[in-house]
Amino acid sequence: DTGVSQDPRHKITKRGQNVTFRCDPISEHNRLYWYRQTLGQGPEFLTYFQNEAQLEKSRLLSDRFSAERPKGSFSTLEIQRTEQGDSAMYLCASSSTLAGPAQFFGPGTRLTVL
Amino acid sequence: RKEVEQDPGPFNVPEGATVAFNCTYSNSASQSFFWYRQDCRKEPKLLMSVYSSGNEDGRFTAQLNRASQYISLLIRDSKLSDSATYLCVVNINQAGTALIFGKGTTLSVSS
Repeated sequence: DTGVSQDPRHKITKRGQNVTFRCDPISEHNRLYWYRQTLGQGPEFLTYFQNEAQLEKSRLLSDRFSAERPKGSFSTLEIQRTEQGDSAMYLCASSSTLAGPAQFFGPGTRLTVL
Repeated sequence: RKEVEQDPGPFNVPEGATVAFNCTYSNSASQSFFWYRQDCRKEPKLLMSVYSSGNEDGRFTAQLNRASQYISLLIRDSKLSDSATYLCVVNINQAGTALIFGKGTTLSVSS
């Protein structure tokens, strides 16, 4: 499968714990994005990398959230001190500067904070 | 005002029906336009890009009116497999950074 992959697919955690999600983009894509989606809403943009540089962050990305893409390939999204309001689907997408602005999404990580 | 607005539906139609979804966007600087399809508890999947001249892909036709900031999607000869949520999506930067999604319109096609 050469699409975007995400791990884990599901995560259940207790409030106050830290969680980390991983995203592997389509191999030739240099751009990587994180979105969050809650029930009944469209995905909301969190942050964007071009290669290893984090170029844009949404105001939704509070200081408890941090994202990295250290070698310009896979990315991690960490949430510290999780809160119940963090429960959502976390979606990763990738695109290529050579192929236009359309983004291709991974299957998501569904986070439940108890 | 929401950046991208869609009628949430649901639209309940019989097989073979023609159904149209509408979407408006607030930022006149928007550069790129898309329709994504999302099945229940799955990721959004690109259905089609939308061009100013209008474009068609099989049973699906998308239209863009930049002056009215309006996007539409027409589905002809609906199939059971078309049942999904259809997301209207724009981005401001031609370079392709943040996509702005509508809440989606739910379509249910019945036999």
